[in-house]
Amino acid sequence: TQLLEQSPQFLSIQEGENLTVYCNSSSVFSSLQWYRQEPGEGPVLLVTVVTGGEVKKLKRLTFQFGDARKDSSLHITAAQPGDTGLYLCAGYTGGFKTIFGAGTRLFVKA
Amino acid sequence: GAVVSQHPSWVICKSGTSVKIECRSLDFQATTMFWYRQFPKQSLMLMATSNEGSKATYEQGVEKDKFLINHASLTLSTLTVTSAHPEDSSFYICSARDGTTRYEQYFGPGTRLTVT
Repeated sequence: TQLLEQSPQFLSIQEGENLTVYCNSSSVFSSLQWYRQEPGEGPVLLVTVVTGGEVKKLKRLTFQFGDARKDSSLHITAAQPGDTGLYLCAGYTGGFKTIFGAGTRLFVKA
Repeated sequence: GAVVSQHPSWVICKSGTSVKIECRSLDFQATTMFWYRQFPKQSLMLMATSNEGSKATYEQGVEKDKFLINHASLTLSTLTVTSAHPEDSSFYICSARDGTTRYEQYFGPGTRLTVT
């Protein structure tokens, strides 16, 4: 069974703090996506990483794909209340399915 | 680009009735569509995968006779919850994969189903 372990499951921080979310697996992924979901809405794609060691930046968000393409991290700098939401990583190994992590629920207090 | 719509956004139905949820890819052709169920404060639970023109592949534990999926075209998939019961109340989300990108999924806004 392919698993994608995401940590932490829950994070409550003050505005302005930094944080990192991790996704780890024993499987090798062709690509990995990060999504953000707000309550009552569907997940929104933030980024896709494809190459081992790849780093992508989206404003205050930095995404990294592990060299072996088995893990990934999302780092948020100077978190803001608008960053509050459920962050999901998803790994694609080929075929039809994508494996989702359990999610990290982030709450940023003003 | 890559917009997926879902209709209705919320629905309330009586126990024993059937409800149909539509999922449409608005600006791309979706060779594969997925249906998920999400419980409060939890991650996504894949229910089934459907390819256009083929029968859906259901995940273990998902009753295919209860959750009917039809992927009749490259832009439309429907999920029908038959003989709904209160325990079917949940947030249902569809996603679609663009055949050209192969791996990225784009999600609809979800449908909140409440069965009374």
